[in-house]
Amino acid sequence: QKEVEQNSGPLSVPEGAIASLNCTYSDRGSQSFFWYRQYSGKSPELIMFIYSNGDKEDGRFTAQLNKASQYVSLLIRDSQPSDSATYLCASYSGYSTLTFGKGTMLLVSP
Amino acid sequence: SQTIHQWPATLVQPVGSPLSLECTVEGTSNPNLYWYRQAAGRGLQLLFYSVGIGQISSEVPQNLSASRPQDRQFILSSKKLLLSDSGFYLCAWNGGHNSPLHFGNGTRLTVT
Repeated sequence: QKEVEQNSGPLSVPEGAIASLNCTYSDRGSQSFFWYRQYSGKSPELIMFIYSNGDKEDGRFTAQLNKASQYVSLLIRDSQPSDSATYLCASYSGYSTLTFGKGTMLLVSP
Repeated sequence: SQTIHQWPATLVQPVGSPLSLECTVEGTSNPNLYWYRQAAGRGLQLLFYSVGIGQISSEVPQNLSASRPQDRQFILSSKKLLLSDSGFYLCAWNGGHNSPLHFGNGTRLTVT
């Protein structure tokens, strides 16, 4: 059973701080990784994707991939109250469909 | 640019009634199409996916079915709804393996 694991949270950070969200995956064959943000009552929206080991930056967001340790993380710099949402990690392995974690709730307090 | 349309946004149906949810994608051809369900406080559960017209793969046995009558149209159906069918139904598409999924706005279904 290929799994993607996330701490359900909530992760609470003050406004302006760095939020660090982590995700581990069980299948060493996983090739691509995605982070989605889901506001309450809304559909998930893609934030970032990463295919190679290392860091990938996009604005305030940085995705980090470490295939040897089988983890993916998402850093959010200068966190804002509008970043409060559930963050979903997802990965493909082999030719299977996308596997999602259950998500981490992030709360950014003003 | 590609867009995905899903309707209705909300639906309240009695137990035993039929269901039809529709999803269409614009701006791309031969997309992979997916139906997910998210129960309250739960993760995303893949229900069906399709890689082409008439090709449907079912992930979870249940009283739901899916059809893809046209390249960019995906329909989720049920002949008789159960209380346990309540949830947030999401349609999604992607351009192939290893590419990101893009979700529609979802349909919140309440079975009473």
